[in-house]
Amino acid sequence: EAGVAQSPRYKIIEKRQSVAFWCNPISGHATLYWYQQILGQGPKLLIQFQNNGVVDDSQLPKDRFSAERLKGVDSTLKIQPAKLEDSAVYLCASSQGRAGGYGYTFGSGTRLTVV
Amino acid sequence: AQSVSQHNHHVILSEAASLELGCNYSYGGTVNLFWYVQYPGQHLQLLLKYFSGDPLVKGIKGFEAEFIKSKFSFNLRKPSVQWSDTAEYFCAVNVEGNLIFGKGTKLSVKP
Repeated sequence: EAGVAQSPRYKIIEKRQSVAFWCNPISGHATLYWYQQILGQGPKLLIQFQNNGVVDDSQLPKDRFSAERLKGVDSTLKIQPAKLEDSAVYLCASSQGRAGGYGYTFGSGTRLTVV
Repeated sequence: AQSVSQHNHHVILSEAASLELGCNYSYGGTVNLFWYVQYPGQHLQLLLKYFSGDPLVKGIKGFEAEFIKSKFSFNLRKPSVQWSDTAEYFCAVNVEGNLIFGKGTKLSVKP
């Protein structure tokens, strides 16, 4: 089966600019996650969707980050305006369901550098 | 708040040495446990997972992990490492639908 697709692979922007990342999950996976992985740390959950509804966005900095999952398939994550501390790899993952019995499949990530 | 602790930041071993990476979690309820591996320049890949049943779980590439409920631990082991095991290893816990990761342990295997 095809994996989780993410684009772009790399992005370099100046602080205060805006940026958007795209994710296409595995077909049929209802649950989609966005994680932020800062260098030297484990991935941190930003937002979780179940179909096209938000389940958990408690760790999403909503003053600058936004995400949507229209039609319950693809998702975009936006940062506006970006700060230096947003430099990280942004990972998308999908799962058939929220329960732990389902596996999570990760995409290759988008490496963002804010200068 | 729930958390996952990985005791070692960086482990350096010679080939054929035995490996044990520690992982402890803080959550008193039912958990599902995972170990992921991230090879240089690649995405996270699942090594093994524990949901229920036998607490000794075998994964890919000769890795195994043991769930010890009384110690809130899920340590990763491999009897004999290879140079190709050089990677970063992440322990993760699924708590009520959220996957919480540890900070990771970087493993360097010297040929």
